[in-house]
Amino acid sequence: QKEVEQNSGPLSVPEGAIASLNCTYSDRVSQSFFWYRQYSGKSPELIMSIYSNGDKEDGRFTAQLNKASQYVSLLIRDSQPSDSATYLCAVNIYGGYNKLIFGAGTRLAVHP
Amino acid sequence: AAGVIQSPRHLIKEKRETATLKCYPIPRHDTVYWYQQGPGQDPQFLISFYEKMQSDKGSIPDRFSAQQFSDYHSELNMSSLELGDSALYFCASSGGGLAKNIQYFGAGTRLSVL
Repeated sequence: QKEVEQNSGPLSVPEGAIASLNCTYSDRVSQSFFWYRQYSGKSPELIMSIYSNGDKEDGRFTAQLNKASQYVSLLIRDSQPSDSATYLCAVNIYGGYNKLIFGAGTRLAVHP
Repeated sequence: AAGVIQSPRHLIKEKRETATLKCYPIPRHDTVYWYQQGPGQDPQFLISFYEKMQSDKGSIPDRFSAQQFSDYHSELNMSSLELGDSALYFCASSGGGLAKNIQYFGAGTRLSVL
């Protein structure tokens, strides 16, 4: 079992809809959680970071963290075709200057 | 704003050759991380350096070595290249302050081993 699990998709949503991406992690001591967006052949681009339980909003993006359930999600409101990409969930288990463990990524397709 | 700079962007090598990848972190960032991403795979952590000392080691083959220099740039040296080493290699950096654990990625080096 991977330490960070994501549904590989593809997740297909119409333009203007809400896209919901989910991620679970196995290590209870995990401290920091990140969502990266990656276009094909490009580098991961940070979308959101979240460290404490609850919701964190930034523009059209909302990250949700539930440490008791070991679950983190990303909501994208008013989805645009330009949001079509692979979304990588990443966990920093120990905090500080430590490696990221990535999920396999969820491919999102927003169709006009 | 300055980003993480990687060079070269593309590299083609033959089996058993050597390769050197370079990474220049964001100014004032003191930690560098290297990741390998195979086709259709998620990035896998290789190695990291904090203040010029190795801070963590992941699934890095013994054929690979890396170091961080006094100006904080890092180099990943790869020897006896194999076909399976063909991948995207990303460098990321992070700095101090409240955002010390946020890693910013460079554009990557695409290595093709023929």
